[in-house]
Amino acid sequence: KQEVTQIPAALSVPEGENLVLNCSFTDSAIYNLQWFRQDPGKGLTSLLLIQSSQREQTSGRLNASLDKSSGRSTLYIAASQPGDSATYLCAVIKAAGNKLTFGGGTRVLVKP
Amino acid sequence: DAEITQSPRHKITETGRQVTLACHQTWNHNNMFWYRQDLGHGLRLIHYSYGVQDTNKGEVSDGYSVSRSNTEDLPLTLESAASSQTSVYFCASSEQESMNTEAFFGQGTRLTVV
Repeated sequence: KQEVTQIPAALSVPEGENLVLNCSFTDSAIYNLQWFRQDPGKGLTSLLLIQSSQREQTSGRLNASLDKSSGRSTLYIAASQPGDSATYLCAVIKAAGNKLTFGGGTRVLVKP
Repeated sequence: DAEITQSPRHKITETGRQVTLACHQTWNHNNMFWYRQDLGHGLRLIHYSYGVQDTNKGEVSDGYSVSRSNTEDLPLTLESAASSQTSVYFCASSEQESMNTEAFFGQGTRLTVV
């Protein structure tokens, strides 16, 4: 059974510092990996999708890397801002059936 | 713009009542999913569908059912609501037969069973 872990569960950084969020998974036979952002009381907003053939994906200040062989993905957020405060979730997709298995999330607080 | 909407956003119901949560998407996606989110358990898959008339059980399907009569809608029914089903429910959709498996989520329904 696929297990997805995100450590740490919570993170606090001063504004301007780069954020590094980790995601690890036990079964390297994944199809794709997706990163989400969730604000309190809100739904999940898709940030980045990394296909299994890709090593990284970038969108603005966000960069996500994928190392399938080691079962790891990292989300980098450059020059963090208070508006980046949220919970960040990673999810792996094992096959084209597209069911997502989620990690527990990392709650991020960016202090002004 | 395409979107996925859930209704109601908040619901309070009594133990033993039947409750239906609605999910409607305008992405024209074949795949639709229902998840529940609970502290300490994260997001867990309840049911999913790969197309009209197709439904499948997820990891926490007991006490829930779904039906898929068209592409746009996948309503989730709690047959006899229990306090253990108090949770936040999320609906999602994604394409099928594609390397682009990006999933899109609704805003969630907060259900309280008293």
